[in-house]
Order: sequence, then C-alpha cells, then structure tokens
Amino acid sequence: AQSVSQHNHHVILSEAASLELGCNYSYGGTVNLFWYVQYPGQHLQLLLKYFSGDPLVKGIKGFEAEFIKSKFSFNLRKPSVQWSDTAEYFCAVSANYGGSQGNLIFGKGTKLSVKP
Amino acid sequence: DTGVSQNPRHKITKRGQNVTFRCDPISEHNRLYWYRQTLGQGPEFLTYFQNEAQLEKSRLLSDRFSAERPKGSFSTLEIQRTEQGDSAMYLCASSLSSGTTGTDTQYFGPGTRLTVL
Repeated sequence: AQSVSQHNHHVILSEAASLELGCNYSYGGTVNLFWYVQYPGQHLQLLLKYFSGDPLVKGIKGFEAEFIKSKFSFNLRKPSVQWSDTAEYFCAVSANYGGSQGNLIFGKGTKLSVKP
Repeated sequence: DTGVSQNPRHKITKRGQNVTFRCDPISEHNRLYWYRQTLGQGPEFLTYFQNEAQLEKSRLLSDRFSAERPKGSFSTLEIQRTEQGDSAMYLCASSLSSGTTGTDTQYFGPGTRLTVL
C-alpha cells in the first residue's frame, strides 16, 4: 500500500531562516506529488505539484520542491521564511496508473511556526 | 469561481444519530472526493465520484456511511448511527479531469467538523 512519511511534526524557525521539510513516499510505480498548505483557520491550498519533467518545481510564495526518484523523496524548500508562512504543510501522492482514480495519500503534516 | 463550499461547518450530535453533510464543488468540476481528517493526521481518502458515478470507496467507508452525487453536481455524505470514533473533519475536494490519471489539482473546501458526544 502507498504511504507518505513527513519527518518533522513541528518545526520552529526565526524569520529569514531557510526551510526544508522532508517527505518520503512508498510506492513502486509512477506517482504524482503534491504539497498542500493549511494556514490557520483556512482550508487546504495547493502549494506546488510535480507530474513529470524537471524534478525541481516552483510553487507559490517562493516555495520549491525537488523530486529525487532514487530516494523516493519530494522535499519542500524555501530560502527565507516569513512569519506569514506559519501553517501546516502536507505532502501528498497519487498513483499514476490506469486503474487509479487520483485519490491523494497524505502524510501526517508538519506544523511550521515562524517567530517574528 | 466561488470555491468548494461545505455545509454545515460544524455539527454536534449524539451517538446513534444520523448526520448528513453537503458539498458543493466548483462548477464544471466533474470529479468530487471525500476525505476524513482526524487530529494529528493528514486527510484520508473516503470516496470518489466522477460526475454522478461513485467509482471508488475506501475500506474506511463502513456500511454506516453512504455518499451520493445526484446529477453530478453537489454531493452528500451521510453517516448513520454515529459513533464517537466518527468525530473528525470531513473534507470535500473537487477537480476538473485533465484526462491524465492523478494529475488533476484537487481544490478543497473548508470542511465539516463533526463531534459525536
């Protein structure tokens, strides 16, 4: 069965610090990869996604993620975080095969707290 | 594009009662998903519709759960004989089929928080 692991439950950073949130998945086939963000009191929003092509993908608000197939990883990065990045971040995968209906498998999420 | 809406936003019920939630997807979106999220966990897939057809159900969806999407528009999720373990956030998402499996962007609603006393 597919699964997604997010290494950190809670990350605390000061403004301007660099961010890297880990995400590993287990699935032997082709996958589509997503990062969603949930700001306090808001619903899940898509940050970025990877389907194919350049393994370094850029998303909104200065976030980027790199797909490393050999490591089954899709880590999220941002060079300099802001207080407004305080949120919960979820990594998700969907299987890419003919019988798949595209449902997402989510990790448990990582809470990011940015101190002003 | 008004986004995905869900009603009610909060529901408190007593164990054994039936509850029904509604999801209105983004108009023109042909795919609709239901997920459940409990504290400290990411969303877990429950079921999926393409237009009005329910095409996949997770084993999490016991026989007390039923979902419909009449006419391929809004969807309802009903839980019969609620149990305390059903307390969770129920999320709805919709997407427009891109024709390539799994590459749709799913847009999530705000969720319905269910508390079973």
